[in-house]
Amino acid sequence: AAGVIQSPRHLIKEKRETATLKCYPIPRHDTVYWYQQGPGQDPQFLISFYEKMQSDKGSIPDRFSAQQFSDYHSELNMSSLELGDSALYFCASSLNSGRAAGELFFGEGSRLTVL
Amino acid sequence: KQEVTQIPAALSVPEGENLVLNCSFTDSAIYNLQWFRQDPGKGLTSLLLIQSSQREQTSGRLNASLDKSSGRSTLYIAASQPGDSATYLCAVLISSASKIIFGSGTRLSIRP
Repeated sequence: AAGVIQSPRHLIKEKRETATLKCYPIPRHDTVYWYQQGPGQDPQFLISFYEKMQSDKGSIPDRFSAQQFSDYHSELNMSSLELGDSALYFCASSLNSGRAAGELFFGEGSRLTVL
Repeated sequence: KQEVTQIPAALSVPEGENLVLNCSFTDSAIYNLQWFRQDPGKGLTSLLLIQSSQREQTSGRLNASLDKSSGRSTLYIAASQPGDSATYLCAVLISSASKIIFGSGTRLSIRP
């Protein structure tokens, strides 16, 4: 079965550079979430989209932006990168239909290293 | 504000033991609760999802229970194996399509 696909899997950038992470949700899933996980920490919610509209926002820095496109894939854009942005970035998707809240499926993550 | 706590933070047991991992949340108004497994440097694998109207879910050697009124969930692992060694995270969804809040996880080690 198709899973959540994230690219790239690994990314190395210099300080003050820009990075873009991509996420392709499971087909027919209508909700995408972005999480950031630092070393030894639990995942921290950044932002979510439902049917291509932003549905919730967490501790996402102003330097970061995200959107969901017409084909439901999502991109996380990170600018003016700082050393502290080095982390695993996870995308997850679910199907939320009506009053049902669906199971969350995670991608394998994109590891960003800022030098 | 919803807070999710997992106890213990780490657990080491010999192979074959049955064990229980605990998860508590401060606000009982949740849509669902999900248990995940994470291996070092890897993604999160969904283990069990319990909807707010359910009390438990089972998958193989895993059984998860949910008591919304007391704000607690437990993950029961039967006949533990070394391959069960990983970090186990619980997460609550507070409303449809909104953020999911994670606990800090229990790092489980099963000794052969």
